[in-house]
Parts: sequence; structure tokens; C-alpha cells
Amino acid sequence: NAGVTQTPKFRILKIGQSMTLQCTQDMNHNYMYWYRQDPGMGLKLIYYSVGAGITDKGEVPNGYNVSRSTTEDFPLRLELAAPSQTSVYFCASSQGLAPPEQFFGPGTRLTVL
Amino acid sequence: ELKVEQNPLFLSMQEGKNYTIYCNYSTTSDRLYWYRQDPGKSLESLFVLLSNGAVKQEGRLMASLDTKARLSTLHITAAVHDLSATYFCAVDMYSGGGADGLTFGKGTHLIIQP
Repeated sequence: NAGVTQTPKFRILKIGQSMTLQCTQDMNHNYMYWYRQDPGMGLKLIYYSVGAGITDKGEVPNGYNVSRSTTEDFPLRLELAAPSQTSVYFCASSQGLAPPEQFFGPGTRLTVL
Repeated sequence: ELKVEQNPLFLSMQEGKNYTIYCNYSTTSDRLYWYRQDPGKSLESLFVLLSNGAVKQEGRLMASLDTKARLSTLHITAAVHDLSATYFCAVDMYSGGGADGLTFGKGTHLIIQP
């Protein structure tokens, strides 16, 4: 099992550009999440999904979009990148309720200049 | 709004010493998680605490949960340098469980010096 994988590992964007952060898990987990981590801070939830075709907003969804067409994949789309979106993005997945533990990918470090 | 507060946020300690990291949260929840993060790395799950009074131990780390006090502790016994990392506690975002995402504390940056 590769677990949760994310691509790319690093990316530099110019203001106004768009990009998609990819996330794939091979654990057959129904629940998937996107978090961002700003320097010296904890993680904040951007979006989450409880299964294919179902997504919902988290704490900080503005400027992002997601889709969930398969159980395995949960891409995060940034439209019109802004410097405030400079952060490290982590994707996570879990089985849900039993156990509820979330497993995290390696992260994507994004800089918007 | 759920708030999760950790203290201390920074801790420098010597090898061999004991110390405790505290995690307070603001709303009813019986599910609390501890993660470890090394610099530039992802989060590694340490403990999942699912009920009042839960206590889990792994090596020199022990975590406990008091849901009535809305408090969890992470105790380090006889610290060694390899435990240097940032430790996060996190709580389920909505009471009643479910898998709607976690609210994280700001993390405790732990440095253990020889």
C-alpha cells in the first residue's frame, strides 16, 4: 500500500494562475480531506468528502474547489491563485467511524508570487 | 466554533527529563488525536483517544483524555533526542463523532537537548 500520495511536491505559481493539486489513496477509504498548514500553525480544513460524488466545505474553503469522482482520487483546484494561498497542503483519508484515524499524505508546498 | 489550545507552544528540555503537553478544547467531544510532525514532513498518527478516561502508551509517550474537563495530556517520560518534533492535538470538528474533519491546535514545538 502506498497510502496517501500527493503531487506535485513543490510548486511556484504566479498571482492569478490556476492549478490542481492531486491526491490519491489506495486504502479504499471513503473519507478524504484537504488541509492547509501555514508556517508555525496547525492545520485547517479546506474541504472534505464522505464518498464519491459528495463533497462539503470545511473551515477555509474560499478560493478552492474540489471534486470526488472516484473513491481513490480527491483533487483540489486553486483558481486565481493569491499570495494568501501560499501554504503547505495536506491530503488525508480515513475509514470514517471505525476507526476514525486520519492518514496524511506527504504534502504539497505551494508558493504564490 | 470549536477551539483547540495547546500549551506550551514551545518546549526545550533535557534528555532524561519528564514533561507534559496539554491540550484543551472548547466543545463536547470524546474523540481526540495526537500527531507528530518532523520538520518538512507529513503528520504521523500517534494516538487516537475515543472515550473519557482513555489512556494509551507507546514507548516514552503516554496520552490521556478527560472529556469532562475537555483536556488531553501527552506525557513524555525520560525524554530522548529522537522525540524532538512538533506535536499536534486535534479534535473532531463536530460533536457526536462522524468524520467531518479535525480542528488542530497550533502545535507544541519540542526540542530535546543532550
